[in-house]
Amino acid sequence: DGGITQSPKYLFRKEGQNVTLSCEQNLNHDAMYWYRQDPGQGLRLIYYSQIVNDFQKGDIAEGYSVSREKKESFPLTVTSAQKNPTAFYLCASSRRGITEAFFGQGTRLTVV
Amino acid sequence: LAKTTQPISMDSYEGQEVNITCSHNNIATNDYITWYQQFPSQGPRFIIQGYKTKVTNEVASLFIPADRKSSTLSLPRVSLSDTAVYYCLVGDRGSSNTGKLIFGQGTTLQVKP
Repeated sequence: DGGITQSPKYLFRKEGQNVTLSCEQNLNHDAMYWYRQDPGQGLRLIYYSQIVNDFQKGDIAEGYSVSREKKESFPLTVTSAQKNPTAFYLCASSRRGITEAFFGQGTRLTVV
Repeated sequence: LAKTTQPISMDSYEGQEVNITCSHNNIATNDYITWYQQFPSQGPRFIIQGYKTKVTNEVASLFIPADRKSSTLSLPRVSLSDTAVYYCLVGDRGSSNTGKLIFGQGTTLQVKP
């Protein structure tokens, strides 16, 4: 089955630790995205990538980092510099230049 | 991407038709209008996309007037399972697309029995 997979579904970390969220897709999509969603809020764009080895900051990139070494993978690292990392993180992919995106099931990160 | 404006919330009853309107006054010539649905603790799901007039699929209809400055998502005979947040996005499908998919606050639809 083609799709986009995020892992893990739930993640707990201690304050001050970096943590990496996984996102893998087998849809052969060029574009991938990371969003953050806080309770009762919409999605905010963290980073996006249109092609391998290239990515751009979204609206709230501070405290996050990404890499795009493979077309299928777009991991997100939440660094200790992110002041309020507890949130629901969503990864998406689409064909380049197309606004129909496919989303993963999300990772709920809790930092204690 | 063109900025969009939607109502924050709407209430409806089972069996009714629900219409959610999105304003996008600055829509560009090459922009398409896309709607997504999100259930709690899940990623958004694509519902429908259109450029002008009317588009219909098995889930919804999308009405776009001639000036394209607004669009209306129509959900026929809603059920409790249609309770969700609905997002309207406007963007260019062509190669000039900057790649940013920007979601607004969305419209929270509450369907009551």
